[in-house]
Amino acid sequence: GAGVSQSPRYKVAKRGQDVALRCDPISGHVSLFWYQQALGQGPEFLTYFQNEAQLDKSGLPSDRFFAERPEGSVSTLKIQRTQQEDSAVYLCASSSDSLSYNEQFFGPGTRLTVL
Amino acid sequence: SQQGEEDPQALSIQEGENATMNCSYKTSINNLQWYRQNSGRGLVHLILIRSNEREKHSGRLRVTLDTSKKSSSLLITASRAADTASYFCATDAGGATNKLIFGTGTLLAVQP
Repeated sequence: GAGVSQSPRYKVAKRGQDVALRCDPISGHVSLFWYQQALGQGPEFLTYFQNEAQLDKSGLPSDRFFAERPEGSVSTLKIQRTQQEDSAVYLCASSSDSLSYNEQFFGPGTRLTVL
Repeated sequence: SQQGEEDPQALSIQEGENATMNCSYKTSINNLQWYRQNSGRGLVHLILIRSNEREKHSGRLRVTLDTSKKSSSLLITASRAADTASYFCATDAGGATNKLIFGTGTLLAVQP
């Protein structure tokens, strides 16, 4: 596609519900990143994939957060038993080359509100 | 936790004026980037400056980097109402992942 797409754009969940957020990166991009952006803050790194391999998950805030990219393309971020503090915008980004720095292209984000 | 601190937190100027935003960071970097985020839109990459560069230009944007002070500045000249957005600096964390560490952001409002 022309850019990184994410779905849904908005998600409202009741506390304790599980949610799944989808990211479609730019076709052919090797690297995929998930970030969490709280209101009024800059994005914070959650996890990184190189193709299907999850090479860094140091930013995941708890074991309720899980991400996968099984075929090295689409990625899903799953949050189990959502809490109010999980309310944020979840941004996905992709870049073309894992060997040297390349620009990260961001999707529009999914705004998650946990009631 | 976020590495960068930006100032000012908010800036309001008139169209045609210049806007300067500053960013400080904590650790050694490979490069520093500036992003813009409009309301309701994703982050858009503006410019990247490598650690061995001191100044870079792109259109109406001018970025400086002082690695000895661990600081950078973004200058937008001849601002337009369409420049109204939040601006973030981001540094790479080194290592194998190229993950970005973002600052706290500056909210710029350009009054027509």
